[in-house]
Amino acid sequence: QLQLQESGPGLVKPSETLSLTCGVSGGSMRSTSYYWGWIRQPPGKGLEWIGNIYYNGGTYYNPSLNSRVTLSIDTSKNQFSLKLSSVTAADTAVYYCARLAYLLTVRYWFDPWGQGTLVTVSS
Amino acid sequence: QSALTQPPSASGSPGQSVTISCTGTSSDVGGYDYVSWYQQHPGKAPKLMIYGVIRRPSGVPDRFSGSKSGNTASLTVSGLQADDEADYYCSSYAGSNNYVFGTGTKVTVL
Repeated sequence: QLQLQESGPGLVKPSETLSLTCGVSGGSMRSTSYYWGWIRQPPGKGLEWIGNIYYNGGTYYNPSLNSRVTLSIDTSKNQFSLKLSSVTAADTAVYYCARLAYLLTVRYWFDPWGQGTLVTVSS
Repeated sequence: QSALTQPPSASGSPGQSVTISCTGTSSDVGGYDYVSWYQQHPGKAPKLMIYGVIRRPSGVPDRFSGSKSGNTASLTVSGLQADDEADYYCSSYAGSNNYVFGTGTKVTVL
């Protein structure tokens, strides 16, 4: 059973770069049927899609975050990573990693999800 | 891209049904049959309940069903149970490899 687990600092200073890694276990990241994505949720608020990365390194970002987001992937280590630059208090959120399905006839759902990790932006 | 619009809250008594709407545009919900629904209990990660508008993953009770008409998708929970009390979010593909989530609906079991 595929499992995802986020890891990284829980506190980041304003203007610095937030860095998180998602470890994947129980399956291969090399499948052509899936993307790997990041979603965040500010405290008490809704979900926001951040971006996705394909096994070959192809990336897609939320236009509202595009200039600050970088995703990378290392299939040999079964992990993918998120970097968000120039963070402010508005970037405080629970960050989730998830797998995005890209099957032949039915596509685009996030499952499974990691448990999430809270990142607070504060000095 | 704007968040899909959901009612902030919905409620029903045990055994009753509740339907949650998710309204977007022809560029997202109305343009693709790629709507999914997620259940989120407090402090927990979202859980997939419906994908491809109407499809249920294995393990999800058939009390959960999805539908779509035009730019609005819906999730219906029949035979409400106490454990159904949670936040529910819809999501849709929005073209050009973009994705958008709904504003979320808190379901209360009275």
